[in-house]
Amino acid sequence: DAGITQSPRHKVTETGTPVTLRCHQTENHRYMYWYRQDPGHGLRLIHYSYGVKDTDKGEVSDGYSVSRSKTEDFLLTLESATSSQTSVYFCAISETDRNTEAFFGQGTRLTVV
Amino acid sequence: AQSVTQLDSQVPVFEEAPVELRCNYSSSVSVYLFWYVQYPNQGLQLLLKYLSGSTLVESINGFEAEFNKSQTSFHLRKPSVHISDTAEYFCAVSETDSSYKLIFGSGTRLLVRP
Repeated sequence: DAGITQSPRHKVTETGTPVTLRCHQTENHRYMYWYRQDPGHGLRLIHYSYGVKDTDKGEVSDGYSVSRSKTEDFLLTLESATSSQTSVYFCAISETDRNTEAFFGQGTRLTVV
Repeated sequence: AQSVTQLDSQVPVFEEAPVELRCNYSSSVSVYLFWYVQYPNQGLQLLLKYLSGSTLVESINGFEAEFNKSQTSFHLRKPSVHISDTAEYFCAVSETDSSYKLIFGSGTRLLVRP
């Protein structure tokens, strides 16, 4: 299995609080991604990174920010959590921009109450 | 813009029966196509992929998918399913010239019954 660790694996937080999810990889892959998974929607891309300090928005980026200060870490921050951000969040990595294979983490289940 | 449609949200099937999970995509440019599988409480794993060449691709556990450009489809098939194949299956597409973005379908839950 690809070395991807997401933390925390589960989190319950209150509306309006900031939340940061962490993705750590040991594969030295250039590309990293954050997806959210919701019933009936599959996985939707939130943000992605193509290198240290190089990030861009995906299709559902509103309310989220990311940072990548090191190759191995990609952080997803919910500045002020809302109930609509209750979801399962997946981090993924890929070695090349051809994305011939993306490897996924185990997911973080976030509940905003 | 690209999109992926998986019309069947759930497919129940008896063990040892054949199964087909449908996937259609929309794109105006060349694409790569993928099937991922997600077992309960786990992340996604790549099952098989089409990048180029032969339009029929196979996985190590007996699944196959055929790229049909004229019908913009990439249906997943298995001639005889096992209980252990119970999982959610996601079809995904990326454009060949901007393939860092994977676009997923909504998923199909395969439920194999004894």
